[in-house]
Amino acid sequence: NAGVTQTPKFQVLKTGQSMTLQCAQDMNHNSMYWYRQDPGMGLRLIYYSASEGTTDKGEVPNGYNVSRLNKREFSLRLESAAPSQTSVYFCASDRSNQPQHFGDGTRLSIL
Amino acid sequence: AQKITQTQPGMFVQEKEAVTLDCTYDTSDQSYGLFWYKQPSSGEMIFLIYQGSYDEQNATEGRYSLNFQKARKSANLVISASQLGDSAMYFCAMKKWTNFGNEKLTFGTGTRLTIIP
Repeated sequence: NAGVTQTPKFQVLKTGQSMTLQCAQDMNHNSMYWYRQDPGMGLRLIYYSASEGTTDKGEVPNGYNVSRLNKREFSLRLESAAPSQTSVYFCASDRSNQPQHFGDGTRLSIL
Repeated sequence: AQKITQTQPGMFVQEKEAVTLDCTYDTSDQSYGLFWYKQPSSGEMIFLIYQGSYDEQNATEGRYSLNFQKARKSANLVISASQLGDSAMYFCAMKKWTNFGNEKLTFGTGTRLTIIP
């Protein structure tokens, strides 16, 4: 029972570098989400995908892009990393009217 | 728009005592779900319990129960017989229920619970 799998778990980048965070779920969920969590704060939604082939902006989309590759996979890309994007990133998935299930998070530091 | 308010930034509770974590919400939707998540120091988000707005009975999952008072718009988490392993951050969240597509989860700011031996 893998649930939601995120890779990598940790990453350090230099300002201006790019990278892609990967997320995959094996629960046949329609919807997938990317959040960021800054120290001492709750989760803020970056982007979400209600179903395969669709993506929508959340609360804090600037500086990010996403791709819903198929029903299982939803990736988050930082094109030009900035120190303000240092955070813990969570991927989640669910189906309609059911709880969201989260991955273990990616701890990203940008120097 | 939906809003979740958790007014207790931190709580200290003696081991084996029961603890109530407060959560109030604001929404104009008639159909919605309320959720509680636990985030231990290791960082993962663990789903604990949820309640649908039309559920007549309060949800229970082992030592966790959700005290749902719809008229007051509150959805407090009750943990019975607290254990040291309950020390964590707890988030209340809500989501509109729909017949199609999906809706976003709105989180509160969390309550840090510390269980004292």
